[in-house]
Amino acid sequence: AQTVTQSQPEMSVQEAETVTLSCTYDTSESDYYLFWYKQPPSRQMILVIRQEAYKQQNATENRFSVNFQKAAKSFSLKISDSQLGDAAMYFCAYRSLIYGGATNKLIFGTGTLLAVQP
Amino acid sequence: DTEVTQTPKHLVMGMTNKKSLKCEQHMGHRAMYWYKQKAKKPPELMFVYSYEKLSINESVPSRFSPECPNSSLLNLHLHALQPEDSALYLCASSQGGGHMNTEAFFGQGTRLTVV
Repeated sequence: AQTVTQSQPEMSVQEAETVTLSCTYDTSESDYYLFWYKQPPSRQMILVIRQEAYKQQNATENRFSVNFQKAAKSFSLKISDSQLGDAAMYFCAYRSLIYGGATNKLIFGTGTLLAVQP
Repeated sequence: DTEVTQTPKHLVMGMTNKKSLKCEQHMGHRAMYWYKQKAKKPPELMFVYSYEKLSINESVPSRFSPECPNSSLLNLHLHALQPEDSALYLCASSQGGGHMNTEAFFGQGTRLTVV
């Protein structure tokens, strides 16, 4: 079975600084998707960034980028130029692409609570 | 429209009540999900519907009864709940059908309190 581990329960960053959130996962599969979701106090889970395992290039979305190390099974999220609105719980998630593909369940890590200091 | 809309936003119910949670999306997605989330914990999958058929039931107690009347709507019927069922209930949808675009879009959730 696949597992996702986020070893940092809480992180803090100064506004305008850069922070990296860690995520490791365990799987025997070769094809899968990895995601970072953000959940602010408003409760809605918002997709931040997505990485396909078959792509070697790291995904980037504006101030958000990932460092995807497939062999090491590591998928960290870097937030550059942190803003107050980035304060939220961040979840790393894994989705298998076999046995049902897109309807397979998301496997979430335990989350990292990010605080942004003004 | 990239929204998943959930109603109500908050619900307080007694242990003998029957209530329903509603979820709606108009993105043409064919997979819809119910998750349960306790405070400061990740969401836990409850049910998955694919093309309006129940495809995954994560051994959820029968006091939770899902229903997918059509491809845009997902309901969760609640009956005889326990106080430990109090949680945030999240609905999500994704394209489904083996599409490579597999990200799930989430609603804002229903905060359920069982008294």
